[in-house]
Amino acid sequence: EVQLVESGGGVVQPGGSLRLSCAASGFTFDEHAMHWVRHVPGRGLEWVSLISGDGAGTYYADSVKGRFTISRDNNKNSLYLEMESLRTEDTALYYCARDRNVVRGVYFDYWGQGALVTVSS
Amino acid sequence: DIQMTQSPSSLSASVGDRVTITCRASQSINTYLNWYQHRPGKAPELLIYAVSILQSGVPSRFSGSGSETDFTLTISSLQPEDFAVYYCQETYSMSPTFGGGTRVEI
Repeated sequence: EVQLVESGGGVVQPGGSLRLSCAASGFTFDEHAMHWVRHVPGRGLEWVSLISGDGAGTYYADSVKGRFTISRDNNKNSLYLEMESLRTEDTALYYCARDRNVVRGVYFDYWGQGALVTVSS
Repeated sequence: DIQMTQSPSSLSASVGDRVTITCRASQSINTYLNWYQHRPGKAPELLIYAVSILQSGVPSRFSGSGSETDFTLTISSLQPEDFAVYYCQETYSMSPTFGGGTRVEI
């Protein structure tokens, strides 16, 4: 059974840092790209970042570029999001999601339950 | 960046109703269009990928259609568990974009 479990959320002051982790199980981790997606209560889903299966390729939303860093440890089946220079507008529930790439399309087929990040003074 | 515009932003419906949600992309995205359901307190769930392919385990009352820039999600007969927020998503670009969401309420 595929499982994604986020951890590392919490309350942090503006300008602070936080590191999220996502522990994956039930599939061959390095065969899948992985994403971070966030949800602000009352607002929609926002894609945050993508990392390729081998970790060589990374992509970021403009809103977090230069402040967030995505990484992975395929030996530990783990995905990470290092968040720096946090702003109040980064307050959200952060999900990790598995990328599935097939001939006809690309989609996010499994999601974790989310880690809540609150940026507040 | 590709913009995804959903309409309506919310709708009220009753059990048994047929519901249609539309999604428009700012440029052609071929068949790289997915739909997700997001219930309060739950993780988003994939409903449909590649415009019209039903994800395993998703009830057949959900269907998708469209091409290029205009897409539709249809729920043929709304059930109590379908009251949620629905999002379209393009994965044509390397920075996948979600639509603004459609809240389906009683």
